[in-house]
Amino acid sequence: DGGITQSPKYLFRKEGQNVTLSCEQNLNHDAMYWYRQDPGQGLRLIYYSQIVNDFQKGDIAEGYSVSREKKESFPLTVTSAQKNPTAFYLCASSVVTGGEKLFFGSGTQLSVL
Amino acid sequence: AQTVTQSQPEMSVQEAETVTLSCTYDTSESDYYLFWYKQPPSRQMILVIRQEAYKQQNATENRFSVNFQKAAKSFSLKISDSQLGDAAMYFCAYRRIGTASKLTFGTGTRLQVTL
Repeated sequence: DGGITQSPKYLFRKEGQNVTLSCEQNLNHDAMYWYRQDPGQGLRLIYYSQIVNDFQKGDIAEGYSVSREKKESFPLTVTSAQKNPTAFYLCASSVVTGGEKLFFGSGTQLSVL
Repeated sequence: AQTVTQSQPEMSVQEAETVTLSCTYDTSESDYYLFWYKQPPSRQMILVIRQEAYKQQNATENRFSVNFQKAAKSFSLKISDSQLGDAAMYFCAYRRIGTASKLTFGTGTRLQVTL
């Protein structure tokens, strides 16, 4: 079945450590997105990519980095510069043009030890 | 910048009754899409319904329908015959038409369904 796979489901970060969240899709979508969700809040866009080897900052990109070396993969690194990384992270994908819906993964809960 | 506002942090409805969730948005675009997403306790985001701004007819999906008022920039979701499985967070979202069209979300409404 086509879909988006995020791993791990839960992740713990130590002080000063970089961690990477994985996102893989087999929907043949060109566009991929990373959103952050804090308790009681909506989703905020971190980064998005419309094509391989290209990506743009979203509304809250500071302290995060991404890469898009393959169409299927869009990993997110939470760097030590992100001082408040505890949140639920959702990856999504879509076709690039039009108003097609976003398909979401099942998310990764990141917590700080 | 586009903004989406959901002014009802929590709503409650009895089973089999009807409830309406409110959403307003701000944009200078004339063509765009609006969505309602549901997030149950599993935290999986599920698309409930989609509305194209250029269509005057309100979208409907089974028990879910919208009241789209373009001039007022209002996009409410009506859930009829509410079921226990409808209990979730509901997010309104906006997406403008174009190749760089990201999805902008509201802060959500938590819907409780009681017996």
